[in-house]
Parts: sequence; C-alpha cells; structure tokens
Amino acid sequence: ILNVEQSPQSLHVQEGDSTNFTCSFPSSNFYALHWYRWETAKSPEALFVMTLNGDEKKKGRISATLNTKEGYSYLYIKGSQPEDSATYLCAFMNSGGYQKVTFGIGTKLQVIP
Amino acid sequence: DVKVTQSSRYLVKRTGEKVFLECVQDMDHENMFWYRQDPGLGLRLIYFSYDVKMKEKGDIPEGYSVSREKKERFSLILESASTNQTSMYLCASTFLDSNYGYTFGSGTRLTVV
Repeated sequence: ILNVEQSPQSLHVQEGDSTNFTCSFPSSNFYALHWYRWETAKSPEALFVMTLNGDEKKKGRISATLNTKEGYSYLYIKGSQPEDSATYLCAFMNSGGYQKVTFGIGTKLQVIP
Repeated sequence: DVKVTQSSRYLVKRTGEKVFLECVQDMDHENMFWYRQDPGLGLRLIYFSYDVKMKEKGDIPEGYSVSREKKERFSLILESASTNQTSMYLCASTFLDSNYGYTFGSGTRLTVV
C-alpha cells in the first residue's frame, strides 16, 4: 500500500486569512496527483489533476503546486471564506495503470467568520 | 449534469445479511471504483473495474465482491455483513485515460447491527 500523507490533519483559520497544506507521496513511479474538496454531506469534487513536475494550477482563490522529484504538493487558499470549509484530499496515482489512486486522510479546514 | 448515483444514502442491515450497494454512472466511463471511508483513515479502495465483467482487487477486498454486468453499473456485495463493515461507502468513476479526476457518488452510510 502506497503512503500518501497530508498535513496538517485539521486547521482553523479566520475569514480572510490565506492558508496552505501539504501532501507528500512516493517520488518514484509518479503518474498524477489529484486534489479534491469534500464538503460535508456532499460528494468529493475534483479540484486539480497534476501530472508534470513544476505544475502549477489555479481555480479562483485556490492554487496548487507539484514537485514530483521530492514527492510533495502544496494547496494554497488565498483569502479564505466560510464556504471554503471542507476536507481537502490529495490522491496519488502511480504508473501502474487503470487510473487507480491512493488517497491521503485529508486536511479538514474550518474557516471562522 | 454528469452523475454518479448510489442507490441508498443510508442503510441499516443485520449481521450475516447479504447486502448490495448499487452505483450507476451516466458518463460512459470505463473505470469504476468502490471505496470506504472510516474516521482517521483515508479513502481505501475495495475493488475497481476497468471494463464490463472485469474486476480487480483493491487494498481491502476481504469480505466483499463486485459485479459489473453493464458499463454503467458497478455493484458492491457484502456476502455476509459484519459489524466491522459499518462505514461510508463511496463509488467513483473516470475515463480510462483521464486527466479530469474521479467523479464521485454521494455515498452510502451503511450500519451493520
């Protein structure tokens, strides 16, 4: 079983603060790295799929970077809003085929108004 | 709006019962997956399928089986439910060679009493 770690496991930030969290994954046999947002009582929703070392992706106030050589990805949220409160999951896909990913346990973000 | 539909949001079953969890997707995806989510653990892969009638074991297949008779439908079967199978079950799907991430269902919370 592949080891995908996320930190911190949870955090609370004030509305308007910027924040970031980390996903670390095996640096060998890399194929792709996914980020998902999972709001309570909803389905996980794909934010980014990153495939190239040095990739940077952005969607609104959320962005992500990828370093495949050292095996980590950062997710950044600029100017956090209460609607950003969710669990953020990363998932590592190795080159073993079939689009099968291994998930981290997630970072639970609570944005305080 | 593309969808992955899980047949039940909540289920309560008795120990020893045979339980069927159904998942249907309308996106013509080749790959389908069953995960379970437990507190403190990441999403763990039970089984996946990359084609009709094809199935592969994930990381925790014991006590489960699956069926994929049609491309759009992937069923998870608990042959004889046990209390340690009480969990949130999530179905997901994606294209065979996808850079769009998984599309998830809304989950089935199964309680085995």
